Amino acid sequence: DIQLTQSPSFLSASVGDRVTITCRASQDIYSYLAWYQQKPGKAPKFLIYAASTLQSGVPSRFSGSRSGTEFTLTISGLQPEDSATYYCQQLNSYPLVTFGGGTKVQI
Amino acid sequence: EMKLLQSGGGLVQPGGSLRLSCGGSGFTFSSYAMSWVRQAPGKGLEWVSCISDSGVDTYYADSVKGRFIISRDNPNGTVSLHMHSLTAEDTAIYYCAKDPITRNYGVDVWGQGTAVIVSS
Repeated sequence: DIQLTQSPSFLSASVGDRVTITCRASQDIYSYLAWYQQKPGKAPKFLIYAASTLQSGVPSRFSGSRSGTEFTLTISGLQPEDSATYYCQQLNSYPLVTFGGGTKVQI
Repeated sequence: EMKLLQSGGGLVQPGGSLRLSCGGSGFTFSSYAMSWVRQAPGKGLEWVSCISDSGVDTYYADSVKGRFIISRDNPNGTVSLHMHSLTAEDTAIYYCAKDPITRNYGVDVWGQGTAVIVSS
C-alpha cells in the first residue's frame, strides 16, 4: 500500500503569511496527487490536481509542486477563510487511493 | 451544477446493518466510477469502496471487505453502500464521491456527508 505522510499536522500562522504543507509518498506516485481543503462539518473541497494544477475557481494564492516523492501545497498570502484542514490524496494506485493524515491550519 | 445528495445513515447497534444512498445530478452519472470515503470523529479521510461506471467492478478497503457491498443503479443515477456486521470502528461521516476519469485529476464532487453511529 502507498502511504502518504503529511507534515506538519498542525500549523498556526497569521494573515498574509506564506505557509507550506508537505506530503511525502512511500513510493513513486509520479504526479498523481491531489489536494483538498476541508472545513469543520463540510465535505472536502478540491483544490489541486496532477500535483500542481489549480482546479477552476480556486484562488491563485494556492499552489502545488512536486520533487520526487515529496509534494508541497503552498498558500501565499494567507487569508482568514483559509483556516481549514488540508489533505493530500494519491491516485497512482487508483481505485485504491489513499489520503494523507491532514494538516490543520489555524489563523 | 453537479451535485451528489446522500440519504440514509443513523444510529445502529453493533452487529447491525445499514444502507447509505447517494444520488447524482448535473452530470452523466453512468460515465463515472463512484466511491465512498469516510471520516471517523476527529480523524482523517479514509477511502472505503469504489464501483466502476458500469457497476461490473467493485473494490473495497481491507477494513470493510466482506462486510460492505457497493452497488449502483445507473438509470436512476444512484449509488448505495450496504453495511453489515457494523462495529464501533465504523462510526464515521460517510461521503459519496464522483471519481475522476483519469488519475491526473481528483474528486471534484462530494456528497454532503451522512453520519453513521454504531453504538448500543
